[in-house]
Amino acid sequence: LAKTTQPISMDSYEGQEVNITCSHNNIATNDYITWYQQFPSQGPRFIIQGYKTKVTNEVASLFIPADRKSSTLSLPRVSLSDTAVYYCLVGEDFGNEKLTFGTGTRLTIIP
Amino acid sequence: EPEVTQTPSHQVTQMGQEVILRCVPISNHLYFYWYRQILGQKVEFLVSFYNNEISEKSEIFDDQFSVERPDGSNFTLKIRSTKLEDSAMYFCASRGVRDFEFGYTFGSGTRLTVV
Repeated sequence: LAKTTQPISMDSYEGQEVNITCSHNNIATNDYITWYQQFPSQGPRFIIQGYKTKVTNEVASLFIPADRKSSTLSLPRVSLSDTAVYYCLVGEDFGNEKLTFGTGTRLTIIP
Repeated sequence: EPEVTQTPSHQVTQMGQEVILRCVPISNHLYFYWYRQILGQKVEFLVSFYNNEISEKSEIFDDQFSVERPDGSNFTLKIRSTKLEDSAMYFCASRGVRDFEFGYTFGSGTRLTVV
């Protein structure tokens, strides 16, 4: 499994766009990039997944450059409720694949 | 939106006692998992389960742990003789065959405290 590196913590003001970057220099050809969000005392929640270029859903966008050695999760106009830990995971996307979580990025939204 | 349901939300048990943590995965999902998170630490994989058998287990999942899907809807994690270091949040997760764009669905967890 490719190792990921992301900032330990970030602060942002409400209403701002937040970009969290993850490095995964050893990503393999079959690997996908997936982001999860976790609130205190709750299970992780899937946000978005991509393989290359850009993916957008109703919650976030995921930008992946051509070399795929990094990715950026973009959260538009954050609110206080976006305060959480965000995890970047890299791995093959077979149905039975286990998830390997790192320490994630603790995002704090300031009013 | 379909949910993974876990019960109980909190469980306090004495060291050496057996506990059973229960999960009801999403009904049409086929892959089931248990993870745990010790306070302030990473979410750790315990075991995956598919087609009524364990697919993979971690080093944490030793002989004290077992999983079962007794009736086609529930998915349970049993710890035979709890230790203080088993205190953690335990999360159940499930996934469908073609849900790759939606990821894994986790439950809200059971907080296990061993005293």
